[in-house]
Amino acid sequence: QKEVEQDPGPLSVPEGAIVSLNCTYSNSAFQYFMWYRQYSRKGPELLMYTYSSGNKEDGRFTAQVDKSSKYISLFIRDSQPSDSATYLCAMSFNAGKSTFGDGTTLTVKP
Amino acid sequence: GAGVSQSPSNKVTEKGKDVELRCDPISGHTALYWYRQSLGQGLEFLIYFQGNSAPDKSGLPSDRFSAERTGGSVSTLTIQRTQQEDSAVYLCASSLNLGPGHEQYFGPGTRLTVT
Repeated sequence: QKEVEQDPGPLSVPEGAIVSLNCTYSNSAFQYFMWYRQYSRKGPELLMYTYSSGNKEDGRFTAQVDKSSKYISLFIRDSQPSDSATYLCAMSFNAGKSTFGDGTTLTVKP
Repeated sequence: GAGVSQSPSNKVTEKGKDVELRCDPISGHTALYWYRQSLGQGLEFLIYFQGNSAPDKSGLPSDRFSAERTGGSVSTLTIQRTQQEDSAVYLCASSLNLGPGHEQYFGPGTRLTVT
């Protein structure tokens, strides 16, 4: 079993929809939780970064961490075609190494 | 400003040959990371450097893989006697300092195909 499991997708939604992306994990030592966005044939770019449990909002993006359930989510409000990409969750508990999910590919249709 | 650059962008090699992949991190970034991404998969951690030192080499898949960093800047990932299962995109990232609180900036990757 992988340390980080991510909803596999793919996900296709109409423009303006609310999108929910989710990951579960097994290692309770994880303290830092990240969401990356990756466009085709590009490197990932950091979207959201959260330490420990709670919510964090940045514009149309909200990251939630529930350490008691070992569950994290990324919500995208008012989704746009430019949000179409692969979203990767990642987690870390020490310096240097992040453990990634396999990614969820999102398509937002105009 | 200049981001992380990697070369070559694409590499096709025959099984059994050695390959070298290069990463130029953002100037001033002390931490550098190598990941591998197979088709449709997430990122697999390979190794990280703090300065020129690599404290954790446990992610390297086999002893055919090695990496070095010189002058606290450029890093090279070398794969000896390549196998078809080595085919993947190899991604390099750098961050200002080591630690999960420091954003990792990724390069575009090197797409390696072993025939």
